[in-house]
Amino acid sequence: EVQLVESGGGLVQPGGPLRLSCAASGFTLSAYDMHWVRQAPGKGLEWLSYISSTSSTIYYADSVKGRFTISRDNAKNSLYLQMYSLRAEDTAVYYCARWSAAMSNSYYYYMDVWGRGTTVTVSS
Amino acid sequence: DIQMTQSPSSLSAFVGDRVTITCRASQSISNYLNWYQHKPGKAPKLLIYAASSLQTGVPSRFSGSGSGTDFTLTITTLQPEDFATYYCQQSYSSLYTFGQGTKLEIK
Repeated sequence: EVQLVESGGGLVQPGGPLRLSCAASGFTLSAYDMHWVRQAPGKGLEWLSYISSTSSTIYYADSVKGRFTISRDNAKNSLYLQMYSLRAEDTAVYYCARWSAAMSNSYYYYMDVWGRGTTVTVSS
Repeated sequence: DIQMTQSPSSLSAFVGDRVTITCRASQSISNYLNWYQHKPGKAPKLLIYAASSLQTGVPSRFSGSGSGTDFTLTITTLQPEDFATYYCQQSYSSLYTFGQGTKLEIK
C-alpha cells in the first residue's frame, strides 16, 4: 500500500526547535518530489515547502523561510522538516504529500498521496 | 505570489443537491489547478487535477472546469460522504498556494 506516515510532532516551547519526519512506503521516494503542508486550528491548508527528488530545488513559503528547513534521505525513504524559532502561530497539523504528474499537452502536477499528519503545539 | 480565493467560504446543502464552488486566481494560471477534499482527522484527498481531470477512483459526480483565473468544482447529487472542506490549489508557480477552503455542511 502506498503510504506516508508523519512523526515527530509534540509540545514545544516558543523559540524551540522540532524535527518532523515523513516515512514513505509502497513506493520509491527517490522518484518523487515532495511537500510539507500544514493546517492550523480552525484554518485552511497552508503550503509550506517543496523539495525536488534529488534535493536540488527547494522552495519555502514566506511564513517559514529562514526558520524551517526541508530535507530528504532517499536511502531511508524519508522526508524531514527541521523547524527552528517556533512561534505560537506554528501550532498546526503538519502533513507531507507526494508530488505526482500527469502528462497531457503539458505536465500537470498534484499532491496525490498524503499522510494523516502530525500535530505540533507551540506553547509555554 | 499567486493568491487563490474561494467562494463561498461555507455552504449548506441537502443530500441529493448540486453544488458549485468557485476558485479565483490573482493572475492567470492556465489550467494548473487542483481540487482537494479534506475531512477532519483524515488525509486530504485529490479530486481533480489540471482543472478538469478526475483523479482515478473519484466518483463522476465530481467535476471541474475553468481556465485562466476562474475555476469551479461541481458536485452533482450530493452524498452524505461529500460533506467536507474543499480546497483549490495552483500548481502554476513554485509557491503552491491553496485557497482558503469551502466548508460544505449538511442542511
